[in-house]
Amino acid sequence: NAGVTQTPKFQVLKTGQSMTLQCAQDMNHEYMSWYRQDPGMGLRLIHYSVGAGITDQGEVPNGYNVSRSTTEDFPLRLLSAAPSQTSVYFCASSPTGGVLDEQFFGPGTRLTVL
Amino acid sequence: KNQVEQSPQSLIILEGKNCTLQCNYTVSPFSNLRWYKQDTGRGPVSLTIMTFSENTKSNGRYTATLDADTKQSSLHITASQLSDSASYICVVSPGSNDYKLSFGAGTTVTVRA
Repeated sequence: NAGVTQTPKFQVLKTGQSMTLQCAQDMNHEYMSWYRQDPGMGLRLIHYSVGAGITDQGEVPNGYNVSRSTTEDFPLRLLSAAPSQTSVYFCASSPTGGVLDEQFFGPGTRLTVL
Repeated sequence: KNQVEQSPQSLIILEGKNCTLQCNYTVSPFSNLRWYKQDTGRGPVSLTIMTFSENTKSNGRYTATLDADTKQSSLHITASQLSDSASYICVVSPGSNDYKLSFGAGTTVTVRA
């Protein structure tokens, strides 16, 4: 199993550009989520999904969109990139999102917005 | 607001030495606490999980403790190795099933030969 995969690993955007960060998992997990990690701060939840066709907002959803058409894929779209979105983005999955579930994280995407 | 505070922010130790990392939280109600290890350029990986009734949990040279009354946890690394150089993140899960985990900012450990 590849686990959780993310592409690209690095990306540089100009302010106002849009892009999609890809995330896929092959563990048949129902729960998937996106986090951003900034220096000196804990990971913050952007959006999450408890199954195909179901998404919800996390702590910092503004400027990001998600969709979940399949169990495997959970892409994150930046609508109009801003310098404040410079961060490292992690996708994670767990079997159901239950409180005892372990989160399995992807390798991350380092995004720089100029 | 639920918070998780970790200390120290960073530390440097010599190979073979021990160290202890601290985590204080205010999350309530509380379900469980996990310690994750994050290598540079990688995603976090779970080391241990402790629920309300557990006081200690070991995973090889890593030993985690939990005092749910004082809302404190620690992670002890014994006989450190160069491969222990990483960031260690404390993550608290609330008692409610609202999918909202609380993450500490992490402690960066550097092990030197």
